[in-house]
Amino acid sequence: DAKTTQPPSMDCAEGRAANLPCNHSTISGNEYVYWYRQIHSQGPQYIIHGLKNNETNEMASLIITEDRKSSTLILPHATLRDTAVYYCIVRANFGNEKLTFGTGTRLTIIP
Amino acid sequence: NAGVMQNPRHLVRRRGQEARLRCSPMKGHSHVYWYRQLPEEGLKFMVYLQKENIIDESGMPKERFSAEFPKEGPSILRIQQVVRGDSAAYFCASSPLARPAGANVLTFGAGSRLTVL
Repeated sequence: DAKTTQPPSMDCAEGRAANLPCNHSTISGNEYVYWYRQIHSQGPQYIIHGLKNNETNEMASLIITEDRKSSTLILPHATLRDTAVYYCIVRANFGNEKLTFGTGTRLTIIP
Repeated sequence: NAGVMQNPRHLVRRRGQEARLRCSPMKGHSHVYWYRQLPEEGLKFMVYLQKENIIDESGMPKERFSAEFPKEGPSILRIQQVVRGDSAAYFCASSPLARPAGANVLTFGAGSRLTVL
């Protein structure tokens, strides 16, 4: 029961902004949007999360549409080390709900 | 402030043996989650535990697998009578106690890679 839809793969030139889309048309009012990434076979790494407003941290920006049915993760200046599988996950904001990973987007940064 | 610590990082077992994987959560975190990643596949939730309690084991195989998070010490994922299909990376994550109206980030460890010969 996938709650998010992401393109399976994307390429981005090194130094450019990488924009990763995610559709979550069935998101409910109490669900956050989380982004994680997994570089090669390492443990998943938290990137950012948001509920309604756009968010920015030292790694990325998260743009959530007004109707909350989709979002975009932006890596402003992609480097080769950003090559990874990126997961968009919706998760209820109460309690300690588990994260349910889909298939993600395999982002390849091209030199 | 050490992150989530998992050991061993690599474990080799023969079919029929037992595997024990350990996870020490981040300091101050009282919730532990275990995930499995088969070769070339995605991350699958297995179990969610608090100290001395299993909260959600909906992803655990019905047989041979068990998990615990005792009052003292790390969380343990135990696999009895391992088979080749158990070969995978096992990731542990931890999070703090949920804030009433906030979101709680799961922090993952580097994983334990089990190879069954």
